[in-house]
Amino acid sequence: EAQVTQNPRYLITVTGKKLTVTCSQNMNHEYMSWYRQDPGLGLRQIYYSMNVEVTDKGDVPEGYKVSRKEKRNFPLILESPSPNQTSLYFCASSFVGTPLQETQYFGPGTRLLVL
Amino acid sequence: AQTVTQSQPEMSVQEAETVTLSCTYDTSESDYYLFWYKQPPSRQMILVIRQEAYKQQNATENRFSVNFQKAAKSFSLKISDSQLGDAAMYFCAYRTQGGSEKLVFGKGMKLTVNP
Repeated sequence: EAQVTQNPRYLITVTGKKLTVTCSQNMNHEYMSWYRQDPGLGLRQIYYSMNVEVTDKGDVPEGYKVSRKEKRNFPLILESPSPNQTSLYFCASSFVGTPLQETQYFGPGTRLLVL
Repeated sequence: AQTVTQSQPEMSVQEAETVTLSCTYDTSESDYYLFWYKQPPSRQMILVIRQEAYKQQNATENRFSVNFQKAAKSFSLKISDSQLGDAAMYFCAYRTQGGSEKLVFGKGMKLTVNP
């Protein structure tokens, strides 16, 4: 089954304790992206990757890191989480380049609470 | 920068009736993609329908159809024969060609379906 998976689905942590949210897709997509969803703000892009070893900042990158060492994986790293990073996080992926393959597919979301 | 506006934060519809969700966007591009995503209480982001800007024909997926007015920069979603399972948050989204390939989301609209 074609899917985007995220782990963990729920996480409660404390300020300053480094954490990683994993994202994996099995569709051979070149493009992967992280979004955060906050009430009243919709979804905003944090980081994206056009392919292996190619990453760039989105609209709200402060406090986050990413890496893309393999095509299928795109982990989101919070080196020193703060309460303002409490949010619902989505990973998404898609092909790049042809109109029929522009749809982004989303993972199930990771709900993060930073105390 | 592109923006997406969903002016109605909430709507309700009777089961079996038709409802239209509005969305407007602002862009200077000529080629782009528009999407409607559904987010049920599970928080999963589910693609409902997509529209390529270069296509004049409005997209249709079963009970879901769009009214795409490119000159007016309007992209409304019509749900026919509404079902209880249609109750969810609905997000309108714009995706540019090239660059970050990100999705720019509206703030969402909560749809309630009354039995």
